[in-house]
Amino acid sequence: KAGVTQTPRYLIKTRGQQVTLSCSPISGHRSVSWYQQTPGQGLQFLFEYFSETQRNKGNFPGRFSGRQFSNSRSEMNVSTLELGDSALYLCASSLAAQGPSTDTQYFGPGTRLTVL
Amino acid sequence: AQSVTQLDSHVSVSEGTPVLLRCNYSSSYSPSLFWYVQHPNKGLQLLLKYTSAATLVKGINGFEAEFKKSETSFHLTKPSAHMSDAAEYFCVVSFRGSQGNLIFGKGTKLSVKP
Repeated sequence: KAGVTQTPRYLIKTRGQQVTLSCSPISGHRSVSWYQQTPGQGLQFLFEYFSETQRNKGNFPGRFSGRQFSNSRSEMNVSTLELGDSALYLCASSLAAQGPSTDTQYFGPGTRLTVL
Repeated sequence: AQSVTQLDSHVSVSEGTPVLLRCNYSSSYSPSLFWYVQHPNKGLQLLLKYTSAATLVKGINGFEAEFKKSETSFHLTKPSAHMSDAAEYFCVVSFRGSQGNLIFGKGTKLSVKP
């Protein structure tokens, strides 16, 4: 079974631009979560989608948004990029209808975003 | 408030010696606990998870962890380190009622010397 895939793997943008990252979950998984990983803040939860609806949201500004399609693929968008948005963005998928708190999440390799 | 603390940011061991990575959590609820490993430039891989069944949890690659409610700890151990174990390890906690999101520790970087 194919794992979680994320595209692109690497991305370089400049301040003020916007970016869209893509995540394809494991086949059959309906929950997709997004995380930001930085050396200073560690891993932080961005949001979680289930059945095309945002079910949970972390403490990030509105510049960070996402969506999920009917095939469970998810995209994350960051508008008006800031230098501090440079990070590894990880996507994770899981089966559970109950949410990530009870079910195992499977992580993709991440997208490394650099903002210049 | 719920939180998770990994007590060591860096642990160094020799190949063939035991590994101990420490994790404490704070919670008003019954937690689910996970250990994930991240190799350089890779995503996170689940090592093991505790969800209120047996307190001693066995994971992949010879790792295990023991849930101790009285000490609010979930330390990760392995009897004998291998060079391939060198990576960063994350203790992760989730709480029913936390809207489902996971709370990650800051990570422990494990170095294995030959």
